[in-house]
Amino acid sequence: AQSVSQHNHHVILSEAASLELGCNYSYGGTVNLFWYVQYPGQHLQLLLKYFSGDPLVKGIKGFEAEFIKSKFSFNLRKPSVQWSDTAEYFCAVSGYSTLTFGKGTMLLVSP
Amino acid sequence: KAGVTQTPRYLIKTRGQQVTLSCSPISGHRSVSWYQQTPGQGLQFLFEYFSETQRNKGNFPGRFSGRQFSNSRSEMNVSTLELGDSALYLCASSLGTGEVDYGYTFGSGTRLTVV
Repeated sequence: AQSVSQHNHHVILSEAASLELGCNYSYGGTVNLFWYVQYPGQHLQLLLKYFSGDPLVKGIKGFEAEFIKSKFSFNLRKPSVQWSDTAEYFCAVSGYSTLTFGKGTMLLVSP
Repeated sequence: KAGVTQTPRYLIKTRGQQVTLSCSPISGHRSVSWYQQTPGQGLQFLFEYFSETQRNKGNFPGRFSGRQFSNSRSEMNVSTLELGDSALYLCASSLGTGEVDYGYTFGSGTRLTVV
């Protein structure tokens, strides 16, 4: 069975600080990895995804993630966060036609 | 192209009642997945339908059921509602072909409150 673990439940940063959200997964097959974001009152939106190829994946809004197969990790990064990045972030792994999500990390960026 | 449409947006039901939620996927998408989102448990997979057949099922009791129509629209039904069923129910639409699915698009969800 696949599972996803997100290291931090809550993260508080000041604007312009760098961000790294940890994500570890367990899955026996070919792995497809995602980061989704849920802004307050809005639906889940795809930030970025990894299927194969370059392990450094760039997504929208300046986010990127690095797939490290040996560590079963897919950490999300952003060099400089903005107040508008305040949201909940979910890491997910895709098996056969299903997504398994981590518990989510609530990011609060103070101006 | 139009996104994933879920109706209704909000529902308030009484314990013991049943409820039906609807999801219209993106045109051309044949797979519809349902997820339950709660503060305590996060996002949990309910089931997935592809071409009118349930292809995968999560670990939820039989009170939770679904179906998919020939136009790919899907409905989810919860019978004998319990207080713990209060949650945001999300629908995700995808092409659904093959083992690798290249993206899931989520709807805005239906907020169900059981009183």
